[in-house]
Amino acid sequence: DVKVTQSSRYLVKRTGEKVFLECVQDMDHENMFWYRQDPGLGLRLIYFSYDVKMKEKGDIPEGYSVSREKKERFSLILESASTNQTSMYLCASRENRGSYTFGSGTRLTVV
Amino acid sequence: GQNIDQPTEMTATEGAIVQINCTYQTSGFNGLFWYQQHAGEAPTFLSYNVLDGLEEKGRFSSFLSRSKGYSYLLLKELQMKDSASYLCAARGDSNYQLIWGAGTKLIIKP
Repeated sequence: DVKVTQSSRYLVKRTGEKVFLECVQDMDHENMFWYRQDPGLGLRLIYFSYDVKMKEKGDIPEGYSVSREKKERFSLILESASTNQTSMYLCASRENRGSYTFGSGTRLTVV
Repeated sequence: GQNIDQPTEMTATEGAIVQINCTYQTSGFNGLFWYQQHAGEAPTFLSYNVLDGLEEKGRFSSFLSRSKGYSYLLLKELQMKDSASYLCAARGDSNYQLIWGAGTKLIIKP
C-alpha cells in the first residue's frame, strides 16, 4: 500500500521557534506538496516541488521555506513560528498529473 | 478569479441518497477531483472527471458539466461510515496547483 508519512501527528511549539515538519513518500513520485488546512477554507498550497532540489512557491509561502534533498523527503520549515501558523499541515505526493496521495497531517499549535 | 463553491454542511439519512454539488471557476480546465476526508485523517481520492458525464464507482458516482462549471458527487445507500467531509478540487491551467473548495461536511443520521 502506497504511503505518505508525516513525522508528527501533533506538535506544540512556542512563538519564535524554528519548526521542522517532515514528510516521506515511498511511491517514487516526482511531485510533492505542502498544504495547510483551516476551518472554512479550502486547502491552501504553501510550497511544492516537482523534482529533487527544485521548489516553487504556492499561494501562501510567507513565513515558510522547504527543502527537498532526496526524492522521497520533503520538509517544511517555519523559520520563526507565529500563532497565525497554528493549523493542520498536510503533505501530498503524486505521479505527474495523477491523483494526490496525502499524509495523515500534522496539527501544529503555536503558543 | 478562480474559486470553487460547495455547501458547508449537509445531513442525510442512513440508506438514502445524497448529492453534493460543486461549482467552479478556473482559468482553463483540466479536470475535477473529489476527495473524502474523515475527521482527523488524510483526504483520500474518490474520483477524477475530465470529460462531461457521469462516472460510477460502486455506491459513489461523480458528474461533470464543463459548460456549466458544475460537478456533483452522488452517494447511494448511505452508511454511517460515509459521515465525512467531501472536498472538491479543480485543475486549471497549472499542472501543479489545484483550486480547492472548503469541503462539505456530510452528517449521516440513523
